[in-house]
Amino acid sequence: SQTIHQWPATLVQPVGSPLSLECTVEGTSNPNLYWYRQAAGRGLQLLFYSVGIGQISSEVPQNLSASRPQDRQFILSSKKLLLSDSGFYLCAWSPGQTYEQYFGPGTRLTVT
Amino acid sequence: GQQLNQSPQSMFIQEGEDVSMNCTSSSIFNTWLWYKQEPGEGPVLLIALYKAGELTSNGRLTAQFGITRKDSFLNISASIPSDVGIYFCAGYLGAQKLVFGQGTRLTINP
Repeated sequence: SQTIHQWPATLVQPVGSPLSLECTVEGTSNPNLYWYRQAAGRGLQLLFYSVGIGQISSEVPQNLSASRPQDRQFILSSKKLLLSDSGFYLCAWSPGQTYEQYFGPGTRLTVT
Repeated sequence: GQQLNQSPQSMFIQEGEDVSMNCTSSSIFNTWLWYKQEPGEGPVLLIALYKAGELTSNGRLTAQFGITRKDSFLNISASIPSDVGIYFCAGYLGAQKLVFGQGTRLTINP
């Protein structure tokens, strides 16, 4: 069966510091991968998605970036965090043949 | 961009009552998905709908794909305390992307 992992689970970072969130999927190959941000327990905003290694599509302009160095690894980064980057970050995967997306447990980021 | 209008935003019900929520859009979707999210966790897929008019059940949950393909409905029968959470609808937007509704927060009084 497939499993999706995210770490860290929680993170408190000062403004201006760098960020690296990691997502890995097990039990499948060549998944579509997604990063979402959720503010205040509502509304999932799609940030990035990837259909293959090195292929990243950005949905909203921001100071975040994403990379996919391996087939089942998706990384969300920032060089300098802003207060507005606080939120709940969710990684999701999709088999590609269907449109169903499966979410990881999320990372709670607080920028102070 | 594309938006889904999900209603109601919040529901406060008594345990044992039935629940209904819906999502509407001005656009046509070929796929509707329903998720449930509990506090501090990622959303969990409940039901996927792929055909207009389709009615699918998952235990006490039943979801329908509207005939016009612009709406979908989720019903929960005989609610229990563990049904508490936020329910999201999502529609397939194309290019491997989903668009999500803003969620319906369900609170149950025992």
